Formats: sequence, structure tokens, C-alpha cells
Amino acid sequence: GAVVSQHPSWVICKSGTSVKIECRSLDFQATTMFWYRQFPKQSLMLMATSNEGSKATYEQGVEKDKFLINHASLTLSTLTVTSAHPEDSSFYICSARDAESLATYEQYFGPGTRLTVT
Amino acid sequence: SQKIEQNSEALNIQEGKTATLTCNYTNYSPAYLQWYRQDPGRGPVFLLLIRENEKEKRKERLKVTFDTTLKQSLFHITASQPADSATYLCALPPSGSARQLTFGSGTQLTVLP
Repeated sequence: GAVVSQHPSWVICKSGTSVKIECRSLDFQATTMFWYRQFPKQSLMLMATSNEGSKATYEQGVEKDKFLINHASLTLSTLTVTSAHPEDSSFYICSARDAESLATYEQYFGPGTRLTVT
Repeated sequence: SQKIEQNSEALNIQEGKTATLTCNYTNYSPAYLQWYRQDPGRGPVFLLLIRENEKEKRKERLKVTFDTTLKQSLFHITASQPADSATYLCALPPSGSARQLTFGSGTQLTVLP
């Protein structure tokens, strides 16, 4: 149980275009999903927290107009990187919290999406 | 400001030995601490959670300790195997019992056969 999927697993796009990454909780309902970015040899940096049906909360320094997050249902959140630039190339990872196990603090992570902007 | 440090960027040990990884934090008092495993090109996988009122937690060959006085957690893998080779991350809520996590930079463990 507690499986999180991401699609696509990798994507290459041209500078200036937009890319959408999907994050799905497959066997549980996630009221909260998190988006992280990870550069090579570095740790995960939280970009934003999204709650189903409401606007995402972005971390300091993350441009909300560039990284659009939509959490339209209890099983799906999307991250759209708008007008991508080569410096946006990174490994994007989502995670979800099980709405029925809030006391455990456990997060379930997706397998990540490798974005390369040329 | 809050800071999380994993004191070894890389750790090599011989198969069968115990690996000990360290996570130190400063400037706050988290209600819990978690350890994750991350393989190259993959998302982190949850291993263990330990709460502030727990001194030690075990799961199979894994043991985690949490010393809130020293502001330190130790992560042990006993009878290590080459399959244990991965990057191990500690994670804490950025404040109190917040739902989101802040991650340490990780320790890359290599278990040599």
C-alpha cells in the first residue's frame, strides 16, 4: 500500500516551453501533497505544500508563477514548470501524506521526474 | 536559523560490519525525526520515525536513537550488506510537529563485499 506515482519519469524540453508533471496517490487519499526539487549530490528542497482544493503554499524563494501547482483531487497533484530555463533542470519529487494516518507523520514519496531543459 | 547536518558525505564499510550514520540539528526542538533511504534516480523511501519522547527504535537490522539533549540522532545498520548501499537522509519537521519535512544533505553509504 501507500504507493505514489509520478509521470513522466523523465522529460526533455526546450527553453521557454512549459512542462507538466503529475503526482498520483494510487491506493490512498492524500489531503496534502508536497513538491521537492533535488539537484545532483544535494538534498531535497521543499518547494511547496498543496492541500486538496486550496492554493499551494510556496517556500521562500520559490516563484509561484513559475511553478504552478494544482491539487484538484485527493489523488492527483500537478506541477507545471512554466517558461522553463536550463537552470530549472533538476529532479522533481512529490510526496503525499495519508489522510488517515496523520499521527504517524510518514510521507510517501514518488519515484521522481528528471527534467532537462535544453 | 534551523540547521540539519549529516556529518559524513560518504561512508564505506565492510560487509557484515555495523554502519553508524549521524544527524545533528540546531536551533529547534522537533517533535519527531525520520530516516529515509534514497537510491540513485529514485525518490526517498521511509525507514523509521522516532518521536522526541523515544530514546531508541528498532526495525529488523536498523536501529535509531534520538538524543534531544545532544540534538542528535544516530542511525545504525547491523550486519550490513552490499544491498544496503544507498544514500540515507534524516528529516525533521522545520518547526515543532509541522507536517512538512526538512532534509539533511544525506550520507552515501557503500558496503563493500
